[in-house]
Amino acid sequence: DQQVKQNSPSLSVQEGRISILNCDYTNSMFDYFLWYKKYPAEGPTFLISISSIKDKNEDGRFTVFLNKSAKHLSLHIVPSQPGDSAVYFCAARSSGSARQLTFGSGTQLTVLP
Amino acid sequence: DSGVTQTPKHLITATGQRVTLRCSPRSGDLSVYWYQQSLDQGLQFLIQYYNGEERAKGNILERFSAQQFPDLHSELNLSSLELGDSALYFCASSVRWGQGADTQYFGPGTRLTVL
Repeated sequence: DQQVKQNSPSLSVQEGRISILNCDYTNSMFDYFLWYKKYPAEGPTFLISISSIKDKNEDGRFTVFLNKSAKHLSLHIVPSQPGDSAVYFCAARSSGSARQLTFGSGTQLTVLP
Repeated sequence: DSGVTQTPKHLITATGQRVTLRCSPRSGDLSVYWYQQSLDQGLQFLIQYYNGEERAKGNILERFSAQQFPDLHSELNLSSLELGDSALYFCASSVRWGQGADTQYFGPGTRLTVL
């Protein structure tokens, strides 16, 4: 039972354009969402997060949008740079007593120069 | 550099053996989380400790155990190893036990290969 889904295993974007990575979830108990970036042979690096009481959070080139009614969030990267090429994981945290993260399967973003 | 350290970086061992993975959280962080990433799998939560106490358990096998010591470092013990235990094991830490905007920061991981 995948509670957090990233349906696109890969995405290619031209340098300078917008990258949009999508994530869907099923558990209504999730109250906090995060995006991590991962390079090969390294641990996930925290990028940006959003609380379920907000619908948008921005940090530099990264913006996360949350649509609670659709149980959908997206990460926008503008402008995309070749150094952004990595695997992006969406993660969600439950408001229950167990506060661990549930991760999606990841999307490989390739930014073409 | 997240500030979370994990040792060793690589570990190669045989089936049936026992290994210990070590994690030092970021300075000031009280929670430690362990995750497993197998081939073609996302990160799966194993277990969480907060200030020395077990806080939450995921799909952790009975052959696996963990503890958090008074200096807040944590060890993950894997015993009676099987081929399927080959994976990347990540440790993460956070300041609190996970409420509010309590972000988890990940270490570089330990790659375990069971032959």
